[in-house]
Amino acid sequence: DQQVKQNSPSLSVQEGRISILNCDYTNSMFDYFLWYKKYPAEGPTFLISISSIKDKNEDGRFTVFLNKSAKHLSLHIVPSQPGDSAVYFCAASQIYSGAGSYQLTFGKGTKLSVIP
Amino acid sequence: DTGVSQNPRHKITKRGQNVTFRCDPISEHNRLYWYRQTLGQGPEFLTYFQNEAQLEKSRLLSDRFSAERPKGSFSTLEIQRTEQGDSAMYLCASSFRDSYSPSYEQYFGPGTRLTVT
Repeated sequence: DQQVKQNSPSLSVQEGRISILNCDYTNSMFDYFLWYKKYPAEGPTFLISISSIKDKNEDGRFTVFLNKSAKHLSLHIVPSQPGDSAVYFCAASQIYSGAGSYQLTFGKGTKLSVIP
Repeated sequence: DTGVSQNPRHKITKRGQNVTFRCDPISEHNRLYWYRQTLGQGPEFLTYFQNEAQLEKSRLLSDRFSAERPKGSFSTLEIQRTEQGDSAMYLCASSFRDSYSPSYEQYFGPGTRLTVT
């Protein structure tokens, strides 16, 4: 069973426009969420995170929104740049209620292509 | 610090052989994780160390897999009697956590790509 779902395998956006990547989760015990970016032949790179006690976190061009009742989060990138083209992974963890490992459960990823 | 490093970056082996991968985490990080990623999937958790103690193992970690972190610094992941289904990217991640740490992100290495023929 896929506890973290990214239902869009790919997304194309024009340079300068907004990119919106979506993620849904089924496990209500998840209370911390992260977004990672991955280029080919590299490991995932941390982008931004959000705790379940917040509904928004912003860092420069990146904003993550969390809707706990819908078990949904999204990553907004504004403005999108060609260098943002990569695979984006949503990940979730049990921090406050888990056993202490803080292991990450990942979605399958969304490939973002930013067109110049 | 240059981040998490993993060696080798690529490994091709024949079915039935044993392989060992190494991970060097960020030097001050006390937590170390191994994940496996197959094509079209996100990384999947395998095991976790806090300092030298292996505290959690996934059901994905069969008895052919063993991991160590002998002095709480680098870690090794060994796969015995490899099978074609073991072909994947093996990722190592590290993090620092104490009572005062505000964040929980993990920092990943570039991975070791294993191909079993």
